[in-house]
Order: sequence, then structure tokens, then C-alpha cells
Amino acid sequence: NAGVTQTPKFRVLKTGQSMTLLCAQDMNHEYMYWYRQDPGMGLRLIHYSVGEGTTAKGEVPDGYNVSRLKKQNFLLGLESAAPSQTSVYFCASIDQQGKSYEQYFGPGTRLTVT
Amino acid sequence: SQQGEEDPQALSIQEGENATMNCSYKTSINNLQWYRQNSGRGLVHLILIRSNEREKHSGRLRVTLDTSKKSSSLLITASRAADTASYFCAAFPGGTYKYIFGTGTRLKVLA
Repeated sequence: NAGVTQTPKFRVLKTGQSMTLLCAQDMNHEYMYWYRQDPGMGLRLIHYSVGEGTTAKGEVPDGYNVSRLKKQNFLLGLESAAPSQTSVYFCASIDQQGKSYEQYFGPGTRLTVT
Repeated sequence: SQQGEEDPQALSIQEGENATMNCSYKTSINNLQWYRQNSGRGLVHLILIRSNEREKHSGRLRVTLDTSKKSSSLLITASRAADTASYFCAAFPGGTYKYIFGTGTRLKVLA
């Protein structure tokens, strides 16, 4: 199993540009998450999904949109990037089968907005 | 704030010493996980402890959970320079779908 993968690993955007981050998991997990981590800080939840076709807002959703068209993929979109969105973005999924709820993380995407 | 609390925020010890980090949270939980993050890298899962467990071990790691005090601790014994990293706790409240992360403890182990 590849686990949780993220594409791309690095990206530099100019203010106002748009982009989509892709998260994929091959573990058949229902729950998926997007977090951001700013320097020296913990993780903050942006959006999450508890199943195909469903999404919900987390702690810091403004400026981001998400879609979960397929169970294995969770997309994070920035429609008009701002310097405040410079961060490292982590995707995660949860193993809810058997009720362990263990969370698995992707390697992260480092985004710089100039 | 949704964040849990961890203390200390930073800890510096000599190689071979033990390191203890504490985590507090605000609601009843289903389980709690501890992660390690090396500088500039992703999160590595260390231990998951369920709400009905009080203590768990994995190698040099020992995690305790006190649900009455809504707190958990991570003990690293006989620390090594390679243990230098940030450590995060994440609590999974019952009845929700979201983990709540602590603010992290930055551990530095001096050789």
C-alpha cells in the first residue's frame, strides 16, 4: 500500500493564482482531512470529509474549497491565493473500520505564495 | 480555541536522560494519539491509546492517559540525539469525526 500520498510536494504561487492539491489514499478509509501547519505551530483543520460526496468545514476554511468525488481522493483548492496561505499542507485519513480511528498522514505539500 | 494544550512548549535535555511531555484536552475522548515530527518533515504516528486504557508502551516510549483529568503524558526513556523533534498529541472526541491537535512540544536532545 502507498498509504496517503500528496501531489505536488512543493509549489510557488503568485498572489491571485489558483491551484489544486491532490490527496489520495489506497486504504479504503471513509474519513479524510486537510490541515495546514504554519512555522512553529500545530496543525489546524481546514476541511474534512466523512465519505464520498460529503465535505465539511474545519477550523480555518476561509479561502479554500474541497471536493470528494471519489472515495480515495480528496482535493483542496485555492481559488485566489494570498500570502497568508503560505504554509505546509497535510492530508490525512482515518481508519474507522474496527473503530481504531488511527489517523494516517501524507508527506505534506509546501506552498509559498508571493 | 480548538487546540489542546501541551507542556512544556520546549524541552532541552542531555542524551540518556528521560523526557516527559504532557497534553491536556477539553472534552471526553474516544482515543488519543501521539506523533513525532522532525523539522520540515511529516508526522510519524507513535502510539494510539484508547479511552479505556491507562498506559501503553512501545519500545522506549510510555504513554499514560487520565480521562478524569483529561490529560495524557508521553515519556521517552534513555533519550538519544535522534529523538530531537516536535511531539504532538491529538485527541479524538467521542461523537465527532475530528482530531484536536495540541500545540506541540519541541524536544532537543543534546549529545
